[in-house]
Amino acid sequence: KAGVTQTPRYLIKTRGQQVTLSCSPISGHRSVSWYQQTPGQGLQFLFEYFSETQRNKGNFPGRFSGRQFSNSRSEMNVSTLELGDSALYLCASSESRGDGAHNEQFFGPGTRLTVL
Amino acid sequence: DQQVKQNSPSLSVQEGRISILNCDYTNSMFDYFLWYKKYPAEGPTFLISISSIKDKNEDGRFTVFLNKSAKHLSLHIVPSQPGDSAVYFCAASKSSGAGSYQLTFGKGTKLSVIP
Repeated sequence: KAGVTQTPRYLIKTRGQQVTLSCSPISGHRSVSWYQQTPGQGLQFLFEYFSETQRNKGNFPGRFSGRQFSNSRSEMNVSTLELGDSALYLCASSESRGDGAHNEQFFGPGTRLTVL
Repeated sequence: DQQVKQNSPSLSVQEGRISILNCDYTNSMFDYFLWYKKYPAEGPTFLISISSIKDKNEDGRFTVFLNKSAKHLSLHIVPSQPGDSAVYFCAASKSSGAGSYQLTFGKGTKLSVIP
């Protein structure tokens, strides 16, 4: 199976702009989670989508949003970019079998966002 | 409040010896633990996991030990190989309801295996 893919891999934006990042999960995986990685804070959970619905959300401001399509592909959007939004944004997919068992999350390569 | 801590930012080990990476957690609601390996410019790669009902899980050269009473887990790599050089992240998971399992990560330990 192909792994998790993310586009674009690199992005440069200026303060105040908005950005949309895309993630295609592993075939058959219905859950997509997004994480932000920065040198200071490490990997932090943004939100999770399952069946086109946001199922869980981390402690990030409302400028960070996302959505999931019927084919499980997901996008995240950051509006009114700030310098501190510069980070590696990682997408992870999992089966989420619904049987109560934890499922491993498989990560994509990430999108490196630089805000100038 | 850092709920998952990896107190050693870096570790150097000779090729062929054992590498031991440590992780501590504070939230007793965590019931599943994972280790990921990350190379530069790549996403984290899943290595091995353990449920809180177990105290050990092995997969080839990798073994994870869990001590629930101490809220401590460790990853053992035996024997260590130069290709193991990477940043290792410890992650913990708990149910957030509705079938969602959110991962909380430590800040990582950079392992260098010296030939």
